[in-house]
Amino acid sequence: EADIYQTPRYLVIGTGKKITLECSQTMGHDKMYWYQQDPGMELHLIHYSYGVNSTEKGDLSSESTVSRIRTEHFPLTLESARPSHTSQYLCASTSGLANTGELFFGEGSRLTVL
Amino acid sequence: AQSVAQPEDQVNVAEGNPLTVKCTYSVSGNPYLFWYVQYPNRGLQFLLKYITGDNLVKGSYGFEAEFNKSQTSFHLKKPSALVSDSALYFCAVRANTGGFKTIFGAGTRLFVKA
Repeated sequence: EADIYQTPRYLVIGTGKKITLECSQTMGHDKMYWYQQDPGMELHLIHYSYGVNSTEKGDLSSESTVSRIRTEHFPLTLESARPSHTSQYLCASTSGLANTGELFFGEGSRLTVL
Repeated sequence: AQSVAQPEDQVNVAEGNPLTVKCTYSVSGNPYLFWYVQYPNRGLQFLLKYITGDNLVKGSYGFEAEFNKSQTSFHLKKPSALVSDSALYFCAVRANTGGFKTIFGAGTRLFVKA
């Protein structure tokens, strides 16, 4: 089992609320990623980080923001949630100077905005 | 730009029969290719990867995949399917020319009937 953890697993909130999805890994991985996935559908990269104080937007535009202040922690924040943000959010990490490592995924955070 | 195509939304196979899940890719430079599996309400789990060398790679749970450079394909195979193999399968590609973004296909749902 990979040591990457996401909380909360499930969250139901009202429109306009601020939420933060937590992602932590204990493997010392330098590279971390957030993917958005509608249930049973494809994954879309929304944010990634190659190390502390490094964050980049992914291929799918997202109103969320991320931060990387510590190696092990890569939280995702929505300042004002809307029903269109309802989705599953998957956090992943990998390591290595070479480009060959597989991703380790958390169990996901399923967000429902009413 | 990188892209991955999984031409079948769903594959149905009887238990004990061989299975194939198809994947083709497009990437600048040489590809690093991956297969992942996702069970309901879970994150993705790594199955196998092709980096270099032998075109036939073996992975977890008896799965294997064959890299074909001329056809830009990386099909997932298993000689004898199990009911427990029923899940959502994702092919993914990463370019070896810099950057660590992993791009996923749309996924193929595998149903193995007893």
